[in-house]
Amino acid sequence: QKEVEQDPGPLSVPEGAIVSLNCTYSNSAFQYFMWYRQYSRKGPELLMYTYSSGNKEDGRFTAQVDKSSKYISLFIRDSQPSDSATYLCAMRDTNAGKSTFGDGTTLTVKP
Amino acid sequence: GAVVSQHPSWVICKSGTSVKIECRSLDFQATTMFWYRQFPKQSLMLMATSNEGSKATYEQGVEKDKFLINHASLTLSTLTVTSAHPEDSSFYICSARQTGTGNEKLFFGSGTQLSVL
Repeated sequence: QKEVEQDPGPLSVPEGAIVSLNCTYSNSAFQYFMWYRQYSRKGPELLMYTYSSGNKEDGRFTAQVDKSSKYISLFIRDSQPSDSATYLCAMRDTNAGKSTFGDGTTLTVKP
Repeated sequence: GAVVSQHPSWVICKSGTSVKIECRSLDFQATTMFWYRQFPKQSLMLMATSNEGSKATYEQGVEKDKFLINHASLTLSTLTVTSAHPEDSSFYICSARQTGTGNEKLFFGSGTQLSVL
């Protein structure tokens, strides 16, 4: 079993929809949680960064971390065609030298 | 956010030649950089962790003599694919972690598409 499981998708929504992207994990030592957006043939871009549990909002994006359930989510409000990309969750514990990534969810927002 | 520059963005080479890819952190110092490989429609596969001033740590199954990593300064790491073959064709991405801020954010380069003929 992988340490990080991400909803595989692909996901297709109409413009303006609310999008929910999710990951679960098994390592209770994870403290840092990130969401990255990756356009085709580009490097991932950091969208959201959260330490420990709680919510964080940045514009149309909200990241939620529920450590008791080992579950993280990224919500995108008023989705736009420009949000069409692959979204990767990533997490790390305090001592690990590397982050563990989900396999990514490909999102298409149709105009 | 911090900027990581990766160069070249694409390269085509003949089988048997070596290719060097550079990864630079432009506005911060990075003790640790990471190199990944990504196949189409697949996630990032960590190849190695590059530590400034010391030998890289390679993931299981990655040939260290094939993929040479040098991290000679706090702002530059290089990956050299030696004696490249068509099966080495892939998208290679680096990332860098800021040093000394307690910040766990990783910033990625824009990637290098390697095609070996």
